[in-house]
Amino acid sequence: AQSVAQPEDQVNVAEGNPLTVKCTYSVSGNPYLFWYVQYPNRGLQFLLKYITGDNLVKGSYGFEAEFNKSQTSFHLKKPSALVSDSALYFCAVRDGGNDYKLSFGAGTTVTVRA
Amino acid sequence: EAQVTQNPRYLITVTGKKLTVTCSQNMNHEYMSWYRQDPGLGLRQIYYSMNVEVTDKGDVPEGYKVSRKEKRNFPLILESPSPNQTSLYFCASSLRGDTEAFFGQGTRLTVV
Repeated sequence: AQSVAQPEDQVNVAEGNPLTVKCTYSVSGNPYLFWYVQYPNRGLQFLLKYITGDNLVKGSYGFEAEFNKSQTSFHLKKPSALVSDSALYFCAVRDGGNDYKLSFGAGTTVTVRA
Repeated sequence: EAQVTQNPRYLITVTGKKLTVTCSQNMNHEYMSWYRQDPGLGLRQIYYSMNVEVTDKGDVPEGYKVSRKEKRNFPLILESPSPNQTSLYFCASSLRGDTEAFFGQGTRLTVV
């Protein structure tokens, strides 16, 4: 079985400070990892993914994430947070096998204060 | 414009009255999925489809049905809705299993 844990329900940071949203995963095979963001009353929007290759992945809106196989983590980071980054963030994983089961974490609410 | 369209956006219904939530994508994607979003639980996959006439269960399929007769459409059917199916539902599509998913705007369903 595959699963995702986002250990923090909420993350609060000041504008201009670094932002980190944590994610750990569990799969039996090779992980395909994704980050999505959800703004109020909207669907989810893709930020970035790790499939293979470089462990540091760069995505939309200045976000990046680092894949750490030994720690089974895929933390999302942004060097300088903006008020407009306030939203709900989801980490997701699927086992790179033959099915299309995708598991999401419970989500982390990010609040960036001016 | 590339998009996933769900209808209706909001629905209030009574227990036991069959309903269908439609989902259509215009990107010629192979893969489609349905999810439900509940507070504190994130998104949970209900069903997915990897091609026309190919569907499979996700993590929470009980009480739901799907069909994939055409590539663009993937309707979600609740034969006999119950109050525990009150939730926010999302349809999504992707080109392949290793590409990002595009999500619809969501359907907020209330079963009384």
